[in-house]
Amino acid sequence: GESVGLHLPTLSVQEGDNSIINCAYSNSASDYFIWYKQESGKGPQFIIDIRSNMDKRQGQRVTVLLNKTVKHLSLQIAATQPGDSAVYFCAETLGSARQLTFGSGTQLTVLP
Amino acid sequence: NAGVTQTPKFQVLKTGQSMTLQCAQDMNHEYMSWYRQDPGMGLRLIHYSVGAGITDQGEVPNGYNVSRSTTEDFPLRLLSAAPSQTSVYFCASSEGQDKRYTFGSGTRLTVV
Repeated sequence: GESVGLHLPTLSVQEGDNSIINCAYSNSASDYFIWYKQESGKGPQFIIDIRSNMDKRQGQRVTVLLNKTVKHLSLQIAATQPGDSAVYFCAETLGSARQLTFGSGTQLTVLP
Repeated sequence: NAGVTQTPKFQVLKTGQSMTLQCAQDMNHEYMSWYRQDPGMGLRLIHYSVGAGITDQGEVPNGYNVSRSTTEDFPLRLLSAAPSQTSVYFCASSEGQDKRYTFGSGTRLTVV
């Protein structure tokens, strides 16, 4: 079946550097994508979303890029801080479906 | 405004026992769902509901029952617990067609 996956299960970055978390999706019909952050012992928290009619969307210190040609999604975090250490999940859906399909997650560790 | 509240936070069951995981939201959200989270597998959808009186199966529904008698509550029932149901369970809700879920803090269930 169709699935959402991540290129790297772990990522370590120095504090102050930029982080890039990648996600590959296999369902070319998916038209909505979303990133969540999950801190240890907590539930996932919404970060940013993007629709398939866009290539890029910016939030506060975060940017999501969508490349529909290669079915690739990335989350960029500027000036990474210790508080950014968490697991990051991408998720997808299509059309009017309310259900999200989640990837397996990437553990981001920010080094001092 | 408490958001999504899950109880209990931790639970240990013996194989064959039954229990109900509680989920309540105070945001008047129509959509509610249950996910389980296992190491390296991300979040998998168990059951979901688009409104009171309406429920449907997700990706991994076997061994779980749900009901939605009110907008606020969406309990998940394990009729006969199995070790394979050891996991962290998350309840999530969203409003209207908004796919940006609000998650609860999770229930960590161990079946021995």
